[in-house]
Amino acid sequence: DIQMTQSPSSLSASVGDRVTITCRTSQSISTYLNWYQQKPGKAPDLLIYAASNLQSGVPSRFSGSGSGTDFTLTISSLQPEDFATYYCQQSYSILTFGGGTKVEIK
Amino acid sequence: EVQLVESGGGLVQSGGSLRLSCAASGFIFSSYEMSWVRQAPGKGLEWVSYISSSGSTIHYADSVKGRFTISRDNAKNSLYLQMNSLRAEDTAVYYCARVYFGYYDRWGQGTLVTVSS
Repeated sequence: DIQMTQSPSSLSASVGDRVTITCRTSQSISTYLNWYQQKPGKAPDLLIYAASNLQSGVPSRFSGSGSGTDFTLTISSLQPEDFATYYCQQSYSILTFGGGTKVEIK
Repeated sequence: EVQLVESGGGLVQSGGSLRLSCAASGFIFSSYEMSWVRQAPGKGLEWVSYISSSGSTIHYADSVKGRFTISRDNAKNSLYLQMNSLRAEDTAVYYCARVYFGYYDRWGQGTLVTVSS
C-alpha cells in the first residue's frame, strides 16, 4: 500500500500569509494526487486534482504542484474562510488519504 | 443538481450490524465508481471501500475487510454498506463519495455510526 505523509500536521497563520502544505508518498505516483479542504461538521471539498489542476469554483489563491513522491498545496494569501483542515489523497492505486493539516488562526 | 444522501446510521452495540444507504440523484449513477469514506471523531479521513460502476470490482480497507460489504443497485440509484461485527473503533461519520478520474468530486453530508462497547 502507498503510505502518505502530510506535513505539518497543524500550523498557525495570519490572514494574508502564504501557506504551504506538503504531502509525500512512499512510492512514485506521477501526478495522481488530489487536495481537499474540510471545515468542521462538513464533508470535504475538492480543491486540486491531478496535482495542479484547480477544481471549478475554487479561488485562484490555491495552487498545487509536484510529481513523483513530493507534492505541495499553496495558499498564496490566506483568507478567513481558509481556516480549515486540508487533506491530500492519492489516486495511483486505492484512493487513500494523508493524515491532514489543520490550519489555525494565529 | 448532484446529490448524495446517506442514511442508516445510528447507535449500535459492539458486535452488532448496520446497513448504510446512499441515495444518488442528479447524475447517471450507473456511470460512476463510488466509495465509502469515514471519519472518526476528531480524526482524519479514512477510505473504507470502493465499488466500480458496474459493481464488478470491489476493494476494502484492511480495517473492515471480512466485516463490511459494499454493494450498489444501479436501477435504484443507490449505494450500500453492510456493516457486521461492529467495533468501537468503527464509530465515525460515514460519507458516500462519487469517484471521478480517481478523485472524490461529490460527497454526501454523512451519517453518524456510534458503536457502544
